[in-house]
Amino acid sequence: QQQVKQSPQSLIVQKGGISIINCAYENTAFDYFPWYQQFPGKGPALLIAIRPDVSEKKEGRFTISFNKSAKQFSLHIMDSQPGDSATYFCAASTASKLTFGTGTRLQVTL
Amino acid sequence: GAVVSQHPSRVICKSGTSVKIECRSLDFQATTMFWYRQFPKKSLMLMATSNEGSKATYEQGVEKDKFLINHASLTLSTLTVTSAHPEDSSFYICSVGTGLNQPQHFGDGTRLSIL
Repeated sequence: QQQVKQSPQSLIVQKGGISIINCAYENTAFDYFPWYQQFPGKGPALLIAIRPDVSEKKEGRFTISFNKSAKQFSLHIMDSQPGDSATYFCAASTASKLTFGTGTRLQVTL
Repeated sequence: GAVVSQHPSRVICKSGTSVKIECRSLDFQATTMFWYRQFPKKSLMLMATSNEGSKATYEQGVEKDKFLINHASLTLSTLTVTSAHPEDSSFYICSVGTGLNQPQHFGDGTRLSIL
């Protein structure tokens, strides 16, 4: 009930391409959906977040698409850059407690 | 967002010793902080919720006598791994909660290695 499923596990994208990471959840009590970026040896850093009353949110090159009826949400990284190479985690929150997805290792090649 | 400082960044110690990890919220009055554990190439697993001035709430399966949490002020929470053993080796990360449906902001983690 508390799981958040994330795919793909790893992703290789060429520079300038679009990176797409997908997440799905079961618990309808989740009410806040952030995405985090983590570099090796560092803590996660908040990228962008969305609430379930919104279907899309864009901040710079990062866009969250949210489908409440399907209980799915995704992160799109436009014009992917080598500096975007990191591990990305989706998460879902209820009562301020976060449940993380399993993570996606993104590699952006030149 | 809140700026979170975690110390030490890395610690290596012998089996049987206790290790204290500090998590400081530098610019936000944090009534709630969280402690996570992360294994290599794995996701973050919530260990406990730390509440200022009261007892921490531990997740199922986390030994509260093994992982002691103290949150005595609005800017500091500590995690003490008592009588540490090699299986306690991991990456421990704290975060500051900034409110309901608000982001958590994370520290840079502590790499704990028990020999």
